[in-house]
Amino acid sequence: EVQLVETGGGLIQPGGSLRLSCAASGFTVSSNYMSWVRQAPGKGLEWVSVIYSGGSTYYADSVKGRFTISRDNSKNTLYLQMNSLRAEDTAVYYCARALYSSGSAAFDIWGQGTMVTVSS
Amino acid sequence: SSELTQDPAVSVALGQTVRITCQGDSLRSYYASWYQQKPGQAPVLVIYGKNNRPSGIPDRFSGSSSGNTASLTITGAQAEDEADYYCNSRDSSGNHLGFGTGTKVTVL
Repeated sequence: EVQLVETGGGLIQPGGSLRLSCAASGFTVSSNYMSWVRQAPGKGLEWVSVIYSGGSTYYADSVKGRFTISRDNSKNTLYLQMNSLRAEDTAVYYCARALYSSGSAAFDIWGQGTMVTVSS
Repeated sequence: SSELTQDPAVSVALGQTVRITCQGDSLRSYYASWYQQKPGQAPVLVIYGKNNRPSGIPDRFSGSSSGNTASLTITGAQAEDEADYYCNSRDSSGNHLGFGTGTKVTVL
């Protein structure tokens, strides 16, 4: 079964760090484009970051310099290292597989999400 | 980042047709993808590319595009189609992505 399972969320103080994990099954993370998307409580979806199969990484301006996307091919797992966390980073964080073509990009597989709360 | 604008809410009578639009400059270069999200659940891809439906998505969902506007049409809306719908696209650089502001669809 094709599946993504996120872990690592929780309550963290402002300025703190947290690492999210996303374990994949049924497909190979390193052969795909993988992304993180977040959703603040009661708000819309916000793209956070993507890692290409070749290893290139890109970030939304709101997290650039603070968050790092990576993967462990041996564990078939995607990560999001989040540093210098702010209250506005509070959200459900989803990992998703991204299908890219020359004309589009779409997230076809999503995890169930993990909640990150940044508060003192 | 990709700035995509959607109407906040639309309503449709059961069995009727509703069109949800998504506007943004990036849509002149890239197709939009569309997602359905129900409360407490992860989004589900319903349309991608020119007008492609993933396996398991009913054929009452269709997509189209013209200029800077992409549309998702639900033909013969059902009660289970009541949800939030989001578009997404690559931005002009091609490397960043963005989501639309979301549209809440109510089936009357």
